[in-house]
Amino acid sequence: DGGITQSPKYLFRKEGQNVTLSCEQNLNHDAMYWYRQDPGQGLRLIYYSQIVNDFQKGDIAEGYSVSREKKESFPLTVTSAQKNPTAFYLCASREARGYTFGSGTRLTVV
Amino acid sequence: SQQGEEDPQALSIQEGENATMNCSYKTSINNLQWYRQNSGRGLVHLILIRSNEREKHSGRLRVTLDTSKKSSSLLITASRAADTASYFCATEEDSNYQLIWGAGTKLIIKP
Repeated sequence: DGGITQSPKYLFRKEGQNVTLSCEQNLNHDAMYWYRQDPGQGLRLIYYSQIVNDFQKGDIAEGYSVSREKKESFPLTVTSAQKNPTAFYLCASREARGYTFGSGTRLTVV
Repeated sequence: SQQGEEDPQALSIQEGENATMNCSYKTSINNLQWYRQNSGRGLVHLILIRSNEREKHSGRLRVTLDTSKKSSSLLITASRAADTASYFCATEEDSNYQLIWGAGTKLIIKP
């Protein structure tokens, strides 16, 4: 089955730590996206990539970094500079008829 | 930036009734999409309606788009308990292929 796999499902981060969220797709989609969702709110775009080795900042990129070395993979690093990282993170890829989402990673700062 | 605004924020109806959710947006769009999110899960794409379309159907779903009013509605007919979820609209603006999301409507279907 084609789809997007996000791991881990739950992640706990200590203050001052960097953590990396994995996103892998086997849909052969060029465009991939990272969103952040806070309770009761819509999705906010962190970073997106239209093609391998290229990515662009979204609306809330500060404190995050990404890489796109392979078409299938678009990992997101939440750095210690992100002051309020506790949230639900969603990865997506795009085709003409719409977006396909992973099942999300819930990040909690402890 | 947030463009879509769903209305109502929450909706609770009896199983079997129809549920209508609305979405308004502000700018010119290429298409508008509706997604469903079950609690704590990823989003599932429901339907995409292009700016030159006025109505689209998919099973029990009916979506309308009025570009003159910059609004869309999602109708779920004969609702089921499994339809309980949050529903989001998202607009894709001309040329930049980014989605702009509303805050969602939380739909509860009472058995």
